Amino acid sequence: GIQVEQSPPDLILQEGANSTLRCNFSDSVNNLQWFHQNPWGQLINLFYIPSGTKQNGRLSATTVATERYSLLYISSSQTTDSGVYFCAVEPIGGNQFYFGTGTSLTVIP
Amino acid sequence: NAGVTQTPKFRILKIGQSMTLQCTQDMNHNYMYWYRQDPGMGLKLIYYSVGAGITDKGEVPNGYNVSRSTTEDFPLRLELAAPSQTSVYFCASFPNSNQPQHFGDGTRLSIL
Repeated sequence: GIQVEQSPPDLILQEGANSTLRCNFSDSVNNLQWFHQNPWGQLINLFYIPSGTKQNGRLSATTVATERYSLLYISSSQTTDSGVYFCAVEPIGGNQFYFGTGTSLTVIP
Repeated sequence: NAGVTQTPKFRILKIGQSMTLQCTQDMNHNYMYWYRQDPGMGLKLIYYSVGAGITDKGEVPNGYNVSRSTTEDFPLRLELAAPSQTSVYFCASFPNSNQPQHFGDGTRLSIL
């Protein structure tokens, strides 16, 4: 199956700092989504972004489908941004989603 | 709208027991998916359904069964519980493949 790799695996930030999370995938995809799993385990969809750039407040995401990667930008980080960020991809020709192993983010006051 | 509701939230099973994890959504979504998340890992797809009466295996289907008799409900059945099935189980729904997934809060299952 398709391989999904996320980097860095762990990240510690001071409140107010910016960060970039990366998702690489090994094959062409129909669909790519970014999720935030909060410290209570709840999964929240951040972006549906198979290609191009989207922004939502302090968060933005860019997917370059031809080069098989996506980036999630977090600006002016807050303690509530802490948690694990996952990307998930759907390969072309299938309905299955494959998740990366995530980036664990800790924002320190 | 309640969104995606999973029950129970927690459960402890003995090896060899069976149980059904319930998932219900009230958004009239066609697609419903079951995932498991092992500690420190991403989610892995167990089974999925693209509409009532249609189900398909995901990446890790062994030891599980599903049914989709209505649009709203997508139960996951464990027939003979094994310690390897200790995990957190998430159900997700979405209208079609070009829309974001909505997740339930998960069921934490321990098999001893």
